Amino acid sequence: GESVGLHLPTLSVQEGDNSIINCAYSNSASDYFIWYKQESGKGPQFIIDIRSNMDKRQGQRVTVLLNKTVKHLSLQIAATQPGDSAVYFCAEANTGTASKLTFGTGTRLQVTL
Amino acid sequence: DTAVSQTPKYLVTQMGNDKSIKCEQNLGHDTMYWYKQDSKKFLKIMFSYNNKELIINETVPNRFSPKSPDKAHLNLHINSLELGDSAVYFCASRPTSGGSSYNEQFFGPGTRLTVL
Repeated sequence: GESVGLHLPTLSVQEGDNSIINCAYSNSASDYFIWYKQESGKGPQFIIDIRSNMDKRQGQRVTVLLNKTVKHLSLQIAATQPGDSAVYFCAEANTGTASKLTFGTGTRLQVTL
Repeated sequence: DTAVSQTPKYLVTQMGNDKSIKCEQNLGHDTMYWYKQDSKKFLKIMFSYNNKELIINETVPNRFSPKSPDKAHLNLHINSLELGDSAVYFCASRPTSGGSSYNEQFFGPGTRLTVL
């Protein structure tokens, strides 16, 4: 079936470095992609989203890149901080299907001092 | 002040029991969801309601029955609990009006269900 997956289950970066978390998706009908951050014991928290008519979107310290040709999504975090330590999920949706989100398996980001 | 709230936060119960988890959102959203997160952190949608009407039902066993008394509440009732039901259950809500974050879903803090 359709799936959204991640290449790296755990990513360890030093404080101050940039982080890149990757995601592959397989549903070509998806037109909306989201990154969520989940801290321990909490619910997922929205970080940034991007629609399929864009290939890049920037937020505060975060950038999402979308490559529809290879069905690849990435989240870049600039100047990674200890507070960025969490599990990051990518998710895809087709806005014509009641925004049913299909989540990837998650990447744990560990920030070392 | 909480946007999406769930009760209880922890639920420990015996196999075969019936239990309910409650969810409330004060964001004025029309659409609400239930997700299940397993021990490997995999998040999967279970149900979605829009204005009290079921719009998504993802092949969940019929032991699970969502109920939406009004658009601010979506409760989840589980009959005859099984060991495999142990997971963290998340409620979420979404606005249905347009805008740049049209599809952003807001998640509650989760309910950790442990079936013994």
